Amino acid sequence: KNQVEQSPQSLIILEGKNCTLQCNYTVSPFSNLRWYKQDTGRGPVSLTIMTFSENTKSNGRYTATLDADTKQSSLHITASQLSDSASYICVVSSPTDSWGKFQFGAGTQVVVTP
Amino acid sequence: KAGVTQTPRYLIKTRGQQVTLSCSPISGHRSVSWYQQTPGQGLQFLFEYFSETQRNKGNFPGRFSGRQFSNSRSEMNVSTLELGDSALYLCASSGRKDRRPDTQYFGPGTRLTVL
Repeated sequence: KNQVEQSPQSLIILEGKNCTLQCNYTVSPFSNLRWYKQDTGRGPVSLTIMTFSENTKSNGRYTATLDADTKQSSLHITASQLSDSASYICVVSSPTDSWGKFQFGAGTQVVVTP
Repeated sequence: KAGVTQTPRYLIKTRGQQVTLSCSPISGHRSVSWYQQTPGQGLQFLFEYFSETQRNKGNFPGRFSGRQFSNSRSEMNVSTLELGDSALYLCASSGRKDRRPDTQYFGPGTRLTVL
């Protein structure tokens, strides 16, 4: 069973509106959580990285929150733009030196329409 | 700084053939990881190399192999291709030096189609 679940699977929003993506995980012990943005046909690009002690982190119009107690994270997109159309992937890791221990969510496909 | 580069970008092969994909990490990065991405499975970890040594391996059959050279460039090889190997293969490099969180930089990927 995947240890990182993302919801919704996809969503369509109007340009200028806000939206929130969810990531629930069961990975334990927990080290950090990352959100990536992946444009179609491109590799993922890191948006935020949060450790256990961080509750929120922003990157421009993207704001990620983390509740390590409930093992939930959200990614909020403010005033969406057409360029925000992409897949957003949540990645959770345990304390380790190896990238192989990272758990990837299936992603949320966001489509921003004019 | 130049980003992660992957060659070729697109590849079409037939079942039973073998293929080699190449990845050049960001200058100075010694960790290179490979991933397979399909619509149904999402990103799946193949293996990671650090200083020419395979540090970790995902749950893929032995047909999938890789190596890393002294300049940190990496190649992955898939032998006896199957239809299910059709996917986007992503390479990512990291400048990880210690246990603090580090960012993994992805290349554009190689789109492999097996006919």
